[in-house]
Amino acid sequence: DAGITQSPRHKVTETGTPVTLRCHQTENHRYMYWYRQDPGHGLRLIHYSYGVKDTDKGEVSDGYSVSRSKTEDFLLTLESATSSQTSVYFCAISESGGPYNSPLHFGNGTRLTVT
Amino acid sequence: RKEVEQDPGPFNVPEGATVAFNCTYSNSASQSFFWYRQDCRKEPKLLMSVYSSGNEDGRFTAQLNRASQYISLLIRDSKLSDSATYLCTSGTYKYIFGTGTRLKVLA
Repeated sequence: DAGITQSPRHKVTETGTPVTLRCHQTENHRYMYWYRQDPGHGLRLIHYSYGVKDTDKGEVSDGYSVSRSKTEDFLLTLESATSSQTSVYFCAISESGGPYNSPLHFGNGTRLTVT
Repeated sequence: RKEVEQDPGPFNVPEGATVAFNCTYSNSASQSFFWYRQDCRKEPKLLMSVYSSGNEDGRFTAQLNRASQYISLLIRDSKLSDSATYLCTSGTYKYIFGTGTRLKVLA
């Protein structure tokens, strides 16, 4: 299995508080991704990174920010959590971009509940 | 309209049956396509890549139709253990997933 660790695995927080989720990889892969998964919506891309300090928005980026200061770490921050951000968050990594890309490999997920 | 679309199912099939899923994508610039399997409350796991010429892995066959912009997954001789949600994705370095197709294989 790809070396991807997400932390925390579970978190309960209150509306309006900041929350940071961490994704750590030991594969030295260039691409990292944050998705959220909700019933009826499937996996939706929040943000992704194509290198250190290089990030871009996905499908549902409002209310989220990311940072990647090192190859191995990709942080997802909810500046002021809302109940609509209650979800399961998955981090994924990929070795390369361009044609015939290498596939994504996912972490175990973080279950976030905003009360 | 979502960029990648799948029939959510569920597809209920008896053991031993053949079942096929389609997945349509709207971004004609997409260069890579994959099928993932996801079990309840688990992370998605790569099932297979989808190549232009089509590819097979045991009981699983994947096809790509660029002209009609869809990919397909065929499962032959279904097993109880194939019960899961199957997700398709397409992209170049920005991967968009379908909502998934739920498969239940019945004894």
